[in-house]
Amino acid sequence: KQEVTQIPAALSVPEGENLVLNCSFTDSAIYNLQWFRQDPGKGLTSLLLIQSSQREQTSGRLNASLDKSSGRSTLYIAASQPGDSATYLCAVRQETSGSRLTFGEGTQLTVNP
Amino acid sequence: NAGVMQNPRHLVRRRGQEARLRCSPMKGHSHVYWYRQLPEEGLKFMVYLQKENIIDESGMPKERFSAEFPKEGPSILRIQQVVRGDSAAYFCASSPVRQGVRGEQYFGPGTRLTVT
Repeated sequence: KQEVTQIPAALSVPEGENLVLNCSFTDSAIYNLQWFRQDPGKGLTSLLLIQSSQREQTSGRLNASLDKSSGRSTLYIAASQPGDSATYLCAVRQETSGSRLTFGEGTQLTVNP
Repeated sequence: NAGVMQNPRHLVRRRGQEARLRCSPMKGHSHVYWYRQLPEEGLKFMVYLQKENIIDESGMPKERFSAEFPKEGPSILRIQQVVRGDSAAYFCASSPVRQGVRGEQYFGPGTRLTVT
C-alpha cells in the first residue's frame, strides 16, 4: 500500500528566503507525481506534474524534482513571498491503479513579511 | 473554460438526513474523481467514475455512500443517514478523456459538509 509522507508538517520563513519542501513515498512504482497548493477553505491548485520518466519540472519560482528510485520529491520555492503562504500537498499516481491519487498530509507554509 | 464546479459549497445536515453533493467537470472532461478530507487529515480517494460507469470505488465506505455520473448532468455523491463522522470537505476532480486514466486531475473548490 502506497504511503506518502511530507516533511516538515509546518514551516515559517521570512520573506525572500529560498525553501525546500520534501515528499517521500514508499512504493516507487509510480506513474507521476503532482504538487498542489491549498489555501484555507479552498480547493486545490495544481502547481507541477512530473512524469516518472522526468527528473524535474519548473514553473516560475517553483522547481520540483523527482528521484523515483529513492522514493523522493522536493519542491523548491525561490524568493518566497507572503502570497506563497498555503498548504502544499504532494500526490502520487501508481503505475498499476492509475486512477487514484495518494496524497501526503501536506506542509503548511507561512511566509512572514 | 470554467473550472470544476461543485455545489453546494457548504452543506449542513442533521444526523440521519441525506446529503447530496454535486460536481460538474470541466468542459470536455469525462473522468470524475471524488476525494474526502477529514479534519486534520490528508485527502483520501473515494471513487472514480466515467459517464454512466463506476470504474473504481475501492475508497468508498461500504454503507451509506454512493456515487453516480449520468450521461447528462453532474456527478452526484450521495450520503444517506449522515453521522457526525461524515463531517469533512469533499472534493471533486476531473480529467480529460484524451489523457485517459493517468491524466492530470483538476480540482473543484470542494463542498464542506457539517453534520450537527
